[in-house]
Amino acid sequence: SYVLTQPPSVSVAPGQTATIACGGNNIGTKTVHWYQAKPGQAPVLVVYDDHDRPSGIPERFSGSNSGNTATLTISRVEAGDEADYFCQVWESTGDQRVFGGGTKLTVL
Amino acid sequence: QVQLQQSGPGLVKPSQTLSLTCVISGDSVSDTAGWNWIRLSPSRGLEWLGRTYYRSKWLADYGLSVKGRVSISPDTSKNQFSLHLNSVTPEDTAVYYCARDYRGPYFDFWGQGTVVTVSS
Repeated sequence: SYVLTQPPSVSVAPGQTATIACGGNNIGTKTVHWYQAKPGQAPVLVVYDDHDRPSGIPERFSGSNSGNTATLTISRVEAGDEADYFCQVWESTGDQRVFGGGTKLTVL
Repeated sequence: QVQLQQSGPGLVKPSQTLSLTCVISGDSVSDTAGWNWIRLSPSRGLEWLGRTYYRSKWLADYGLSVKGRVSISPDTSKNQFSLHLNSVTPEDTAVYYCARDYRGPYFDFWGQGTVVTVSS
């Protein structure tokens, strides 16, 4: 089955830019979606189809995807962005929805 | 606005069946969307369990990690869908979510989550 690899943790100071990677074999040929998960709350879709934002998600959240790495970028990081972030793709073989292992974003 | 309201027990004994229900408002279970179950645990992160959807007939797809133990089915009379996971072990302890996929294979609306503990 298809494997998505994320770094366990990323730390960034407020106001700086956070970059969260999601690695997969030729992931650039797939479309990637990103979720933010905070304790006690349901996950929230923050980027879909590599780089699109759902209504209500700040422009500070952006995504890109090429080669073997997809990236979620959060600009001007705020304390409220502290959460776990998960990437996700659709694997056509077996019609599976696959998640990465998650990255904990810490705002210093 | 779509809303998903989950219900079900928070404690299940090992070897028994975990059953949860998700009531849909603002959409129809018989619409073109897919209706999914996903779980979140510290050890496994987010894990897709499967979905049910209607394409002239009811269909279901299941995650490889639980295939053979899981069943997801609709109840059109109550506009809801359910998860049944049998032969549970403590490894199945997690927060369980229902979620919709509509415009693509991603999840735009989620239920509030149900903490399920598998313990005797």
